[in-house]
Amino acid sequence: AQSVTQPDIHITVSEGASLELRCNYSYGATPYLFWYVQSPGQGLQLLLKYFSGDTLVQGIKGFEAEFKRSQSSFNLRKPSVHWSDAAEYFCAVGSGDGNKLVFGAGTILRVKS
Amino acid sequence: GAVVSQHPSRVICKSGTSVKIECRSLDFQATTMFWYRQFPKQSLMLMATSNEGSKATYEQGVEKDKFLINHASLTLSTLTVTSAHPEDSSFYICSARGEGTGELFFGEGSRLTVL
Repeated sequence: AQSVTQPDIHITVSEGASLELRCNYSYGATPYLFWYVQSPGQGLQLLLKYFSGDTLVQGIKGFEAEFKRSQSSFNLRKPSVHWSDAAEYFCAVGSGDGNKLVFGAGTILRVKS
Repeated sequence: GAVVSQHPSRVICKSGTSVKIECRSLDFQATTMFWYRQFPKQSLMLMATSNEGSKATYEQGVEKDKFLINHASLTLSTLTVTSAHPEDSSFYICSARGEGTGELFFGEGSRLTVL
């Protein structure tokens, strides 16, 4: 069965500092991987996705993620965090047709000035 | 970009009543929509897949008679929580697959509180 683990429930970083949010997955085949962001009371917005090809994926808002098959990881990174990045971030793995997504528990990002 | 809208965004109801939540794809047609449930401080759990013109497919453990899904048109799916109880209080989010890229677009969610 597919599963996604986001080890960090909360992360606090200073504005301008770099960020890395961890995501580990369990999936029998080549996974489809996603990162979503959710602001309070809002739906989810797709930041980036990995289906195949280059393992370093660029997304919106300056985010990137790297797929590492050997570590079953898909960590999200940003070189310099802005206060507007404060939100909850979800990693997800999808089935082969991409229809069903299994989400991690989420990581809440706080940005301090 | 594609937009998915949910209504209402917040609803409070009495125990035993039924509540309907709408999910609309505003600028594209969606033959398939998905309904998720999110408990406080937890992740999203897929409840069911809504298929236009046919019965919804429910995930294991989700009561189909409690959570009625109707996908009557290519732009509208509804989730009705029947005989709601306080434990049904949750954040319900729908998503729809966009045309072309097939990207999933999520609604803004509907927060249900059952008193």
